Amino acid sequence: GAVVSQHPSRVICKSGTSVKIECRSLDFQATTMFWYRQFPKKSLMLMATSNEGSKATYEQGVEKDKFLINHASLTLSTLTVTSAHPEDSSFYICSARGGTGDYEQYFGPGTRLTVT
Amino acid sequence: AQTVTQSQPEMSVQEAETVTLSCTYDTSESDYYLFWYKQPPSRQMILVIRQEAYKQQNATENRFSVNFQKAAKSFSLKISDSQLGDAAMYFCAYRRPQGAQKLVFGQGTRLTINP
Repeated sequence: GAVVSQHPSRVICKSGTSVKIECRSLDFQATTMFWYRQFPKKSLMLMATSNEGSKATYEQGVEKDKFLINHASLTLSTLTVTSAHPEDSSFYICSARGGTGDYEQYFGPGTRLTVT
Repeated sequence: AQTVTQSQPEMSVQEAETVTLSCTYDTSESDYYLFWYKQPPSRQMILVIRQEAYKQQNATENRFSVNFQKAAKSFSLKISDSQLGDAAMYFCAYRRPQGAQKLVFGQGTRLTINP
């Protein structure tokens, strides 16, 4: 089956610093990747949709300058949280969709970000 | 905009019994996909079952089946012979077949299995 990985699985950073999270499709080419944020005991909230080689489309209310998304290749997308603050602490999940078949979305295992 | 509602924040069931999780959605589209995802304590999202709106037949995957009522915009998940490993958060989700194909999730239902 299609596998999506995320790195790191957990990260702790100091307030004011930036942190990068990687999302990789390991055995398929992902034309589209999605980034979600999940608060404790809550549902997944879509942050942005990125297509390979083009700018990400952000959901309403998501600061594009704070959450930088790059999808430079068909197997890698990155989310950079810039000038992180404690309120950015959350669980971030990516998913990837291939360009053939029924375009199923495959989810990564998530990254827990803690900003101190 | 499409919305998905799960009105049961928590459910519990005895092991080996059957439980049904509810989901309703709102859309003006006639063609779409509906999903049930499971999120165990590991937080990894796992696809449980999928239903295409144009199919009248309810989807089934082993112990998991759905009751898809298109006119009522209802999409419930039935888990038969519940097992301890079924304990998880369950999310109902909607997706358009075209365009960005982003998933719209419900609020989730936490399912507990009592041994």
